[in-house]
Amino acid sequence: DAKTTQPPSMDCAEGRAANLPCNHSTISGNEYVYWYRQIHSQGPQYIIHGLKNNETNEMASLIITEDRKSSTLILPHATLRDTAVYYCIVTPYTGGFKTIFGAGTRLFVKA
Amino acid sequence: DSGVTQTPKHLITATGQRVTLRCSPRSGDLSVYWYQQSLDQGLQFLIQYYNGEERAKGNILERFSAQQFPDLHSELNLSSLELGDSALYFCASSVGVGNEQFFGPGTRLTVL
Repeated sequence: DAKTTQPPSMDCAEGRAANLPCNHSTISGNEYVYWYRQIHSQGPQYIIHGLKNNETNEMASLIITEDRKSSTLILPHATLRDTAVYYCIVTPYTGGFKTIFGAGTRLFVKA
Repeated sequence: DSGVTQTPKHLITATGQRVTLRCSPRSGDLSVYWYQQSLDQGLQFLIQYYNGEERAKGNILERFSAQQFPDLHSELNLSSLELGDSALYFCASSVGVGNEQFFGPGTRLTVL
């Protein structure tokens, strides 16, 4: 079973920020939060990951709450090409465990 | 382009047959992962290899087997195929055992 909970779908206007939430209340101390997205039936694409500090890269920002029980992926200026299923997963950095993808959030970016 | 290659892109076969899917990881990546994605099951983790050794195992059927070769490419063998095995099969690779994964374009398997 997935260790994360995400809303099944969200809408966002083009050019606005998309904020995608994820709950991971049972996260362990050695587990990172990873975000991936999948556009149609393409292979999933890595977006960003973090342990407890907020992270930013050229694609997105990741905000992790202080208790690490939830996080938010922020796409600062969503475009139509950001329409995809977004997956939040938690996994130990040491590896050796199953990578469990849940159902994800289907983000629709509208013109 | 993630740098992960998978062959073939499409595969159509009959029930009871055996097929082999191939994956070449990104240059320098030691881990290879296999996933199955069908319409009603989502993205399911099958197995992970790291530098030739099995590292993690998901709900992989006994009819399925995989291996990672010394040159780090990997193959997923599916035998006694059933209609329900029709799915997209993705391979991913990462530098180490728990790093971010980079996915290939997938192999679409259709079992008739």
